[in-house]
Amino acid sequence: ETGVTQTPRHLVMGMTNKKSLKCEQHLGHNAMYWYKQSAKKPLELMFVYSLEERVENNIVPSRFSPECPNSSHLFLHLHTLQPEDSALYLCASSEKGTGEPGELFFGEGSRLTVL
Amino acid sequence: GQNIDQPTEMTATEGAIVQINCTYQTSGFNGLFWYQQHAGEAPTFLSYNVLDGLEEKGRFSSFLSRSKGYSYLLLKELQMKDSASYLCAVLDSNYQLIWGAGTKLIIKP
Repeated sequence: ETGVTQTPRHLVMGMTNKKSLKCEQHLGHNAMYWYKQSAKKPLELMFVYSLEERVENNIVPSRFSPECPNSSHLFLHLHTLQPEDSALYLCASSEKGTGEPGELFFGEGSRLTVL
Repeated sequence: GQNIDQPTEMTATEGAIVQINCTYQTSGFNGLFWYQQHAGEAPTFLSYNVLDGLEEKGRFSSFLSRSKGYSYLLLKELQMKDSASYLCAVLDSNYQLIWGAGTKLIIKP
């Protein structure tokens, strides 16, 4: 496989469920990202991991919990979500140097619907 | 605050030329990106401008004016497959990407 792959592509969950989104990158990059994409809104950066360490944690509700076990894998654990959390969740990777983050390579996203 | 403005939606005809504008107000500037996103697919990189001027890449060109806080993406010889959303993003002084909401481009035969 090549590029960035995300599973599942579609997820429907109730507000009391616990689920996880998975992302895997096969590009040898050292940084991985979770973004939230809602209709007609800018991409919202949720979490950044560089060299497996979380380097940025924007104001994201604690019901979203990231995990980066190694440089190729990234998870987003979900629990007690709200209907307004329904969105497309995009994973991305890049080769991060000392300055610019470099070109981002995105996965196709996980479409989440919270009932 | 930081802000990226681009039109919500544009319509153009197959074979024609379309220009998608992006204006920005950010704390510092370290480059501007354009990404293309087809419905239900991943955004993919189109271009990166950090110096003023026009960068041409096949049918697509991207222009930057740092003094005006302005960029545009020019698409020539439009094809139906160019129907997509086009995302503008600016790298600020902290090397954080600030994203626009995207422009949905509809191509008609």
